[in-house]
Amino acid sequence: AQTVTQSQPEMSVQEAETVTLSCTYDTSESDYYLFWYKQPPSRQMILVIRQEAYKQQNATENRFSVNFQKAAKSFSLKISDSQLGDAAMYFCASRLYSGAGSYQLTFGKGTKLSVIP
Amino acid sequence: DTAVSQTPKYLVTQMGNDKSIKCEQNLGHDTMYWYKQDSKKFLKIMFSYNNKELIINETVPNRFSPKSPDKAHLNLHINSLELGDSAVYFCASSTRRTEAFFGQGTRLTVV
Repeated sequence: AQTVTQSQPEMSVQEAETVTLSCTYDTSESDYYLFWYKQPPSRQMILVIRQEAYKQQNATENRFSVNFQKAAKSFSLKISDSQLGDAAMYFCASRLYSGAGSYQLTFGKGTKLSVIP
Repeated sequence: DTAVSQTPKYLVTQMGNDKSIKCEQNLGHDTMYWYKQDSKKFLKIMFSYNNKELIINETVPNRFSPKSPDKAHLNLHINSLELGDSAVYFCASSTRRTEAFFGQGTRLTVV
């Protein structure tokens, strides 16, 4: 079974500063995807960034970037120039293709990010 | 054009009742999911449907039953509701090469 661990239940960052959210995962497969989702108080699940395991290059999406360390099974999210709108729960997730057209999608327990004006 | 839509957004009901939550996706995805988010915000997969076949059924009480009339719909039926069923339920869809797209969630409150 795959597991995803987020070791920081809560984090805070000063507006305009940079913050890194940690995530580790456990899988023995080579074909998998990793994601960071954001959940603001509106409860909508919003994709922040995705990473395919076969790609060595770290994904970047505007102010959001990841540090993907495949051997260490680590997938951290860096938010640069933090904005008040970044305040939310952030979930790390892994998706494993388990064959015959089926998938497993597993989430970490989330990190609540506060942005201080 | 909402990609994944679920109804209703809020549902308040009494213990013992039977209720359904509907989900529809217009993305042409072949896999749909139901997730439960508890009061601690933990997201746990309940069901996964691929091409109308149940793929994953985690340790969910059999009072919960997914129904997929076609590839674009995955409804969730809950019988004999209990207080502990109160949570936010999310529908989602994906393909092998995409992320999961989520509905807006249904907050179920059992009183």
